[in-house]
Amino acid sequence: QKEVEQDPGPLSVPEGAIVSLNCTYSNSAFQYFMWYRQYSRKGPELLMYTYSSGNKEDGRFTAQVDKSSKYISLFIRDSQPSDSATYLCAMAGSGANNLFFGTGTRLTVIP
Amino acid sequence: GAGVSQTPSNKVTEKGKYVELRCDPISGHTALYWYRQSLGQGPEFLIYFQGTGAADDSGLPNDRFFAVRPEGSVSTLKIQRTERGDSAVYLCASSERPRYEQYFGPGTRLTVT
Repeated sequence: QKEVEQDPGPLSVPEGAIVSLNCTYSNSAFQYFMWYRQYSRKGPELLMYTYSSGNKEDGRFTAQVDKSSKYISLFIRDSQPSDSATYLCAMAGSGANNLFFGTGTRLTVIP
Repeated sequence: GAGVSQTPSNKVTEKGKYVELRCDPISGHTALYWYRQSLGQGPEFLIYFQGTGAADDSGLPNDRFFAVRPEGSVSTLKIQRTERGDSAVYLCASSERPRYEQYFGPGTRLTVT
């Protein structure tokens, strides 16, 4: 079993829809939770970064962490065609030097 | 400011050959990471440098892989006796503080034929 599980999709939504992306994990030592966006043939771009449990909002994006369930989410409101990309969750433990990534969910927002 | 840069963007090599991949981190970032991303997968950690030294090389798959960062800035990932299974995108990232906010370069797409 991989330490981080993420549904690879693909996920297609109409423009303006609310998108929900999720990851589960098995390592209770994870303390830091990140979401990256990756366009085709580009490097991952850091979107949001959350420490421990709770919510964090940045514009149209909201990240949620539920450590008791080992479950994290990214919500995108008013989705735009430019949001079409692969979304990767990533996690790290306290003091750890490397990130553990999910496989990524491929999202397409249809105009 | 300038982001992480990687060269070459694409590299095609024959099985058994030696390759070098270069990473130039964001200026002032002391931490540098190498990851490998296979098709349809998330990046997988290879090695982490703090300054000039390799602080964690636990992700290197075998002794054909080696990386250096002699002056604490640019890093080179070296792969000896390449195999077809080494074909992937090799990503470099750097960070200042905290380490969890890592900024990635565009990657080098390595194809071993």
